[in-house]
Amino acid sequence: EAAVTQSPRNKVAVTGGKVTLSCNQTNNHNNMYWYRQDTGHGLRLIHYSYGAGSTEKGDIPDGYKASRPSQENFSLILELATPSQTSVYFCASGDEYEQYFGPGTRLTVL
Amino acid sequence: GQQVQQSPASLVLQEGENAELQCNFSTSLNSMQWFYQRPGGSLVSLFYNPSGTKHSGRLTSTTVIKERRSSLHISSSQTTDSGTYLCALEENTGYQNFYFGKGTSLTVIP
Repeated sequence: EAAVTQSPRNKVAVTGGKVTLSCNQTNNHNNMYWYRQDTGHGLRLIHYSYGAGSTEKGDIPDGYKASRPSQENFSLILELATPSQTSVYFCASGDEYEQYFGPGTRLTVL
Repeated sequence: GQQVQQSPASLVLQEGENAELQCNFSTSLNSMQWFYQRPGGSLVSLFYNPSGTKHSGRLTSTTVIKERRSSLHISSSQTTDSGTYLCALEENTGYQNFYFGKGTSLTVIP
């Protein structure tokens, strides 16, 4: 059974709209991460969390917020979506040694 | 911050040939992980290997810390090995953030 799940798997949003991407993990990991993957850039870290109630900025946090209401759940929020945020978003959970990834969410902002 | 360089960027093999993928890093590490990603797919962990050599079927991972490199060897390649191979490392800083290379795109032709 998948230990890291993401929803939705695909999303089309309009410019200026609000988008929330959700991630759930059953690994009981303290750490959770949000990445985006774009051709030519590889995986880039947006936000991460060390536990419930904590969020930290990654390498490219501008235009994104994160929320970690519980050990299991970590959300990525785009308050005002822009076309430049069209990408594939991956959530991961991990300990200090390894990461485990969700299936990804393909977001298109028109 | 950490620099992670993967080489080659792309590789085309005839089925049955061997491949050697390299990952070079700039500072000390706490963790090294190799992932496989099928086009449009998620990241699947192949190895957690912070030092030494590990084997899994036709795959071998070798990490040499003092030389700041890790390699992934694929023997007797198959068409199903086609995809992107990514290395990720975590610095020995206690912050538990992972840095990814841009990947090696492997195509195995029959």
